[in-house]
Amino acid sequence: AQSVTQLDSQVPVFEEAPVELRCNYSSSVSVYLFWYVQYPNQGLQLLLKYLSGSTLVKGINGFEAEFNKSQTSFHLRKPSVHISDTAEYFCAVSERRKVFGQGTRLTINP
Amino acid sequence: DAGVIQSPRHEVTEMGQEVTLRCKPISGHNSLFWYRQTMMRGLELLIYFNNNVPIDDSGMPEDRFSAKMPNASFSTLKIQPSEPRDSAVYFCASAFMAVVRNEQFFGPGTRLTVL
Repeated sequence: AQSVTQLDSQVPVFEEAPVELRCNYSSSVSVYLFWYVQYPNQGLQLLLKYLSGSTLVKGINGFEAEFNKSQTSFHLRKPSVHISDTAEYFCAVSERRKVFGQGTRLTINP
Repeated sequence: DAGVIQSPRHEVTEMGQEVTLRCKPISGHNSLFWYRQTMMRGLELLIYFNNNVPIDDSGMPEDRFSAKMPNASFSTLKIQPSEPRDSAVYFCASAFMAVVRNEQFFGPGTRLTVL
């Protein structure tokens, strides 16, 4: 059965520092992988997705993620964060249906 | 496009009362999903519809919860009777076809508080 594990529930970083949010998944077949972002008091929005092809996926707001099949990971990265990136980030895997991770709360300190 | 519309945005009710949450999906989308978000359990899929037909309701907690989609532009999630443990944010999402590779578009959510 498919599952998603987000290894960090909270990640505090300083503004303009790089950040990596970790996501590991388990699945018995090929999957599609997603990162969504949830700003305070809003619904989730798609940041990026991996369907096939290049393992490095670029998304909106300067985020990117790398699909690593051997490590069953799909970590999200940004080289320099901004205060406006403060949000909760959800990794999701789709095999038969989409399953979301527990979320990682990213807080940016000035 | 207005996006997915949910109403009400906030609902406070007393235990035992009936609660109805409403959702209007994005025009042209034929798949609709209801999620519940809590601190303890994260984001849980309750039910999803494809072409107005419920496909998977295995996430519905118990018989107190029911969902309908009478047409392509409207869905309801009803809780009767409500209990304090139902307090959560309920999201509706829609997609163009319930194909696993497709993006889901989320509404702003309904924050439900059951006293």
